[in-house]
Amino acid sequence: NAGVTQTPKFQVLKTGQSMTLQCAQDMNHNSMYWYRQDPGMGLRLIYYSASEGTTDKGEVPNGYNVSRLNKREFSLRLESAAPSQTSVYFCASRPHPSTDTQYFGPGTRLTVL
Amino acid sequence: RKEVEQDPGPFNVPEGATVAFNCTYSNSASQSFFWYRQDCRKEPKLLMSVYSSGNEDGRFTAQLNRASQYISLLIRDSKLSDSATYLCVVNTVFSGSARQLTFGSGTQLTVLP
Repeated sequence: NAGVTQTPKFQVLKTGQSMTLQCAQDMNHNSMYWYRQDPGMGLRLIYYSASEGTTDKGEVPNGYNVSRLNKREFSLRLESAAPSQTSVYFCASRPHPSTDTQYFGPGTRLTVL
Repeated sequence: RKEVEQDPGPFNVPEGATVAFNCTYSNSASQSFFWYRQDCRKEPKLLMSVYSSGNEDGRFTAQLNRASQYISLLIRDSKLSDSATYLCVVNTVFSGSARQLTFGSGTQLTVLP
């Protein structure tokens, strides 16, 4: 049972480049989330997917898009990267609506030059 | 005002000391409360849920005061391995009826030999 996995672990982009961050979970969880974490700030929700086939904006969605490919996979795309998107990105999943507990992947460290 | 506020620290304590962290939250409708632990450059991991009656897990005790919108975490007999950042987390209603987690920016603890 790998839990929540994320790829890549590290990435450096130039301003204007695009990329997709991948996330997968093997725990059969319904809900999945993308957060970003910046120094001195708490994790901020970018997008979430309450169930397969649905996605919704979180607190800081601008500059990002997401795809819930199936129950296991939830990807985050940066269409035109900006230096302000330099951050650590965490994917998380939640088992079912009766619990608020979330389980996190190891994170992707992204630098945009 | 931030939705979840924590003293950022750092707290530097000797092994064996007792240390307490505090957290306040602004949304009186919040229903679920957690402490997560985050090691340097790692993902957040659930430490414990916080219940109105207070709860204990070994050396860790969590308390919730709904009237004051205040959460605390007490660590007794600190170990070197307790060195980490402790995140106060509450659920909030976001975007209609969807419940999401809001994270404090964390309190950094270093336990010294």
